[in-house]
Amino acid sequence: GQNIDQPTEMTATEGAIVQINCTYQTSGFNGLFWYQQHAGEAPTFLSYNVLDGLEEKGRFSSFLSRSKGYSYLLLKELQMKDSASYLCAVRPSVGMGGKLIFGQGTELSVKP
Amino acid sequence: DAGVIQSPRHEVTEMGQEVTLRCKPISGHDYLFWYRQTMMRGLELLIYFNNNVPIDDSGMPEDRFSAKMPNASFSTLKIQPSEPRDSAVYFCASTFRPGQGGYNEQFFGPGTRLTVL
Repeated sequence: GQNIDQPTEMTATEGAIVQINCTYQTSGFNGLFWYQQHAGEAPTFLSYNVLDGLEEKGRFSSFLSRSKGYSYLLLKELQMKDSASYLCAVRPSVGMGGKLIFGQGTELSVKP
Repeated sequence: DAGVIQSPRHEVTEMGQEVTLRCKPISGHDYLFWYRQTMMRGLELLIYFNNNVPIDDSGMPEDRFSAKMPNASFSTLKIQPSEPRDSAVYFCASTFRPGQGGYNEQFFGPGTRLTVL
């Protein structure tokens, strides 16, 4: 089966750092994506990992450990506009085209 | 490019009525995906197409749901007859074939919020 777990919600303070974890158990693995979704809007792409290690993109970084089936999204210097849902998604196999399996999402609230 | 276009943005209908949702993918993208998002179940893949051909429809909940892609620039998702439990936000997304060692993030449309009374 396919299973992707994320915490349901998190709260953090403006200017702080927050780490959102994602664990997965899928029939195959060919990449992990993080998407951001503001309330009432469509998901937008944040980051991609296919090899172990850290990918940095401005204030956002994403880490992957394939042996542990684990990823995290790190958000630095939090801003109020970072309040959103963060979705972890796994692409099980390159043979399945771009098919993604999404986690339930982590609702992040940034407080002043 | 205008991005993925979906219509209508909001749809309110009564149980038993037919509902048709429409999607125009980004030009040049050869994969198209239909998702449904609810609070309870999150974002679920319903069906996806490659070069206008349905590849995986295992997420389609039942025979009341059908999807077509008559050409590279248009797809429909139809629910007939609709039921209150179909109320959700339906997203269409598109992407391109990944290059060697590359990735192909999906680009989502704004969604259609469907309410079945």
